[in-house]
Amino acid sequence: EPEVTQTPSHQVTQMGQEVILRCVPISNHLYFYWYRQILGQKVEFLVSFYNNEISEKSEIFDDQFSVERPDGSNFTLKIRSTKLEDSAMYFCASTAPGGRSSYNEQFFGPGTRLTVL
Amino acid sequence: AQKVTQAQTEISVVEKEDVTLDCVYETRDTTYYLFWYKQPPSGELVFLIRRNSFDEQNEISGRYSWNFQKSTSSFNFTITASQVVDSAVYFCALSGGYGNNRLAFGKGNQVVVIP
Repeated sequence: EPEVTQTPSHQVTQMGQEVILRCVPISNHLYFYWYRQILGQKVEFLVSFYNNEISEKSEIFDDQFSVERPDGSNFTLKIRSTKLEDSAMYFCASTAPGGRSSYNEQFFGPGTRLTVL
Repeated sequence: AQKVTQAQTEISVVEKEDVTLDCVYETRDTTYYLFWYKQPPSGELVFLIRRNSFDEQNEISGRYSWNFQKSTSSFNFTITASQVVDSAVYFCALSGGYGNNRLAFGKGNQVVVIP
């Protein structure tokens, strides 16, 4: 069964460094998402991406964050200058195209645990 | 804005007992979707069930069942005859209809099943 994959599974970085989290969505999916979960807290929406542009972003997704689909398979989240409070699990998700009256389930990747020291 | 409230934080049950998780939601959308996800200790998010706002029929799927009531904006989830493998955090989530598919999650319920 196709699945969303994420690399690395765990990333440790120093405060102020740039990190890139990578995701490979399911191949025929067209909508992509990033969520984050600070340890022990709820999962929070960061950004959605469709047709090579951001379709929606939350207040968390400030200028330090950016997303890109550099090729036909990868979807990346970049944090330009990491802060301690960026330490969290980051989940990628993707959705297949659907009709106007339907909702398509978001398939989640296993997550990347980011630790900022 | 969409909001999901899961009031209970940690619930402990003895194996084979039933456990019900409460979820109350707020939305201005007329079409919306409700979900339950399971997050085991390994950390991944596992999709369990989805319900559309226009279908209030409650169902049972194996040991899982849910009670969707639009009148009270609730979407409760029950695990029947709990097992140790059910120990996890359970999240209720809400999404709008087409063009507004971001998921809003509740804070989660930590379920501990004691053997």
